[in-house]
Amino acid sequence: DSGVTQTPKHLITATGQRVTLRCSPRSGDLSVYWYQQSLDQGLQFLIQYYNGEERAKGNILERFSAQQFPDLHSELNLSSLELGDSALYFCASSVGGTSYEQFFGPGTRLTVL
Amino acid sequence: GENVEQHPSTLSVQEGDSAVIKCTYSDSASNYFPWYKQELGKRPQLIIDIRSNVGEKKDQRIAVTLNKTAKHFSLHITETQPEDSAVYFCFFKGGGNKLTFGTGTQLKVEL
Repeated sequence: DSGVTQTPKHLITATGQRVTLRCSPRSGDLSVYWYQQSLDQGLQFLIQYYNGEERAKGNILERFSAQQFPDLHSELNLSSLELGDSALYFCASSVGGTSYEQFFGPGTRLTVL
Repeated sequence: GENVEQHPSTLSVQEGDSAVIKCTYSDSASNYFPWYKQELGKRPQLIIDIRSNVGEKKDQRIAVTLNKTAKHFSLHITETQPEDSAVYFCFFKGGGNKLTFGTGTQLKVEL
């Protein structure tokens, strides 16, 4: 167990809908990262937050947004869902600053029908 | 373009043999080079990392080597065992906070 939690574990929804994925980082970690992993694909970096502020942005679609709250948990919002958004979404956390040693959560499996 | 290239994409070895996976990067901004292991259906886990001020780091059967001149770093697994079968990813932080995982190497250790 990495200490990073993600909810829900599974999510099934329809095209056009909006969902929110939640992540709680390890105690003491200030950075949160979001990744998308499609079937047989690698880990695509979406976005990073550090102590409540956006620090880095990857290939995140405009339909997706995220934020990190004062208690350091983070949410990833996916809207106008398409079939191709079906994937495993991982959250990771690290101490932050110059540390990129990331600890991953168990992931949320999103299925868009 | 991509900051990092990972090879090979698949690797099959006999139990007890060694396995080597390599990542090549294009810019010199990073000073941190980790490797992650992802078993089927599980989360990626950090298995070893190296800072740019050293050339090699070992942890039992696993080692990482870094060649800053040639801009590549490699994962070495010796005396492979069936439980080493997994997908391995390198990670690279480029300039401008660009974070990239390699495309992954599916390692299969055969009995």
